[in-house]
Amino acid sequence: DGGITQSPKYLFRKEGQNVTLSCEQNLNHDAMYWYRQDPGQGLRLIYYSQIVNDFQKGDIAEGYSVSREKKESFPLTVTSAQKNPTAFYLCASSKQYTGELFFGEGSRLTVL
Amino acid sequence: GENVEQHPSTLSVQEGDSAVIKCTYSDSASNYFPWYKQELGKGPQLIIDIRSNVGEKKDQRIAVTLNKTAKHFSLHITETQPEDSAVYFCAASSYSSASKIIFGSGTRLSIRP
Repeated sequence: DGGITQSPKYLFRKEGQNVTLSCEQNLNHDAMYWYRQDPGQGLRLIYYSQIVNDFQKGDIAEGYSVSREKKESFPLTVTSAQKNPTAFYLCASSKQYTGELFFGEGSRLTVL
Repeated sequence: GENVEQHPSTLSVQEGDSAVIKCTYSDSASNYFPWYKQELGKGPQLIIDIRSNVGEKKDQRIAVTLNKTAKHFSLHITETQPEDSAVYFCAASSYSSASKIIFGSGTRLSIRP
């Protein structure tokens, strides 16, 4: 079945540590996205990539980094510079030049 | 900046009754209005969408209406069922670019048996 796979589903991190969240898709979509979701708030865009080897900052990119070396993969690194990293992180993909997003099941990061 | 306001934040309805969620948007260039349903612990899933060239779209028990002049759009769920309990997000964007999508803050819908 085609879809988006995020891992891990739950992750705990100590303050000062970097952590990388995985996102893989087999939908053959060109574009991929990372969103952050906090309780009672909408989804906020962290980074997006329209094509391999290219990515753009979203609204809340500070403290995060990404790479897009393969069409299928768009990992997100939450660095120690992110001041409030505890959140639910969602990866999504879309066909080029369309508005419909397909989401993964999310990764919940807790900083201890 | 551009934003999407969504109301109410929580909604409880009796099973079988209708539920209505309303959104307003600020960017007059928006022409694509999707609605996503998020079940507990999962990612959002598109349930219906509407483009600016139509005023209403229906898919079985769900419908969306759009008033471009007033910049309002609404989700209507009829004959609600327990499986409709979830968080619903409205959004607005240009159809050609999902990177420009702006989400509302979500509505937690609970269906009472």
